[in-house]
Amino acid sequence: ETGVTQSPTHLIKTRGQQVTLRCSSQSGHNTVSWYQQALGQGPQFIFQYYREEENGRGNFPPRFSGLQFPNYSSELNVNALELDDSALYLCASSTGTGGNQPQHFGDGTRLSIL
Amino acid sequence: AQSVAQPEDQVNVAEGNPLTVKCTYSVSGNPYLFWYVQYPNRGLQFLLKYITGDNLVKGSYGFEAEFNKSQTSFHLKKPSALVSDSVLYFCAVRDIRFSGGYNKLIFGAGTRLAVHP
Repeated sequence: ETGVTQSPTHLIKTRGQQVTLRCSSQSGHNTVSWYQQALGQGPQFIFQYYREEENGRGNFPPRFSGLQFPNYSSELNVNALELDDSALYLCASSTGTGGNQPQHFGDGTRLSIL
Repeated sequence: AQSVAQPEDQVNVAEGNPLTVKCTYSVSGNPYLFWYVQYPNRGLQFLLKYITGDNLVKGSYGFEAEFNKSQTSFHLKKPSALVSDSVLYFCAVRDIRFSGGYNKLIFGAGTRLAVHP
């Protein structure tokens, strides 16, 4: 069983640039969530995709956007990067719609903004 | 507002002693509660969950957690700590304000466990 994989592992950008992070969900999982984890903090929910549609969003501005593809993989796009966007970005996949199944996390993409 | 609190930034325990990592939550309705562990430069790994049923749930690597509804707590425990348990632990609760496949988790700030030989 293949777990959640994310790419790239590390990325360095400058303010104002745009970035795309990628996530392949665990086999059989149809729901993908993205989280931002700043240094020394717990993960913060960005949004979730289910059946290729965003069906929930946290307190993040519209410059954070995403996609889910028919094979359930997903992308996180961030425009107009700011210094505060420096963080570990985690993708998590799960099954079902009841929220009682654990989410399985990838190892994340560490994004550094200069 | 729904929230999770982990009151201790770090917990220190001697190897072989029992350990407890504390977690309290605030939600409306019945909570879905989870514990995750994070190894250095890695993502989160699921340890255990409470959805319904027995208040004492058992998970991976000898960990267990006790759900206490009256105290709104979900403390993580292990009878005998190992040096290899020295990593970062996160408690999380599912945000139940939404239905239909909405699986948002609200995380605590994390507790670092330090097990000394």
